Amino acid sequence: AQSVTQLGSHVSVSEGALVLLRCNYSSSVPPYLFWYVQYPNQGLQLLLKYTSAATLVKGINGFEAEFKKSETSFHLTKPSAHMSDAAEYFCAVTRSGNTGKLIFGQGTTLQVKP
Amino acid sequence: DAGVIQSPRHEVTEMGQEVTLRCKPISGHDYLFWYRQTMMRGLELLIYFNNNVPIDDSGMPEDRFSAKMPNASFSTLKIQPSEPRDSAVYFCASSFFGEKANYGYTFGSGTRLTVV
Repeated sequence: AQSVTQLGSHVSVSEGALVLLRCNYSSSVPPYLFWYVQYPNQGLQLLLKYTSAATLVKGINGFEAEFKKSETSFHLTKPSAHMSDAAEYFCAVTRSGNTGKLIFGQGTTLQVKP
Repeated sequence: DAGVIQSPRHEVTEMGQEVTLRCKPISGHDYLFWYRQTMMRGLELLIYFNNNVPIDDSGMPEDRFSAKMPNASFSTLKIQPSEPRDSAVYFCASSFFGEKANYGYTFGSGTRLTVV
């Protein structure tokens, strides 16, 4: 079975500060990992994904995440927060290979203060 | 491509009525997923299809819920009869897992269902 745990349901940062959203996964097989962003009243948009290539993955809008097998983590970071980054962020996991079931974490709401 | 298209965007219905949510996946995608999002339970996978065949419906909450995919370009999620606790945002997503897959899921904008 696979699962993800997002540490912190709400994170607040100042504009220009580092963004760090935490995600730990549990998987009995090599995982594929994803970060999605959801703006109010919209669907989920893929930020970035890890599919067993480079462990440091760069995504859209200046976000990146690093896969650390030893820590079973896939934390999302951005060096400098922008007001437009305020949204809900979801970490998700699926089995590597040819499978379809994506399991989401509970989400982290990012607030950016001016 | 227009992306994953869901209709309607908003639905308000009375308890006991039948509700049908619709989804058009991205052309060429061979997986289709239905998710439900609520404040209490977050994002839940209800059911998913591969090549129009239901693969896993273990997330469907009750027999009141049913989903079909009659062809590669259309899927429905039906609730009959609807109850207030079914109020949620329902998302459809599609993806491709073939040889050249990028393993990214594309989500629709969702249907916000309110049962009164």
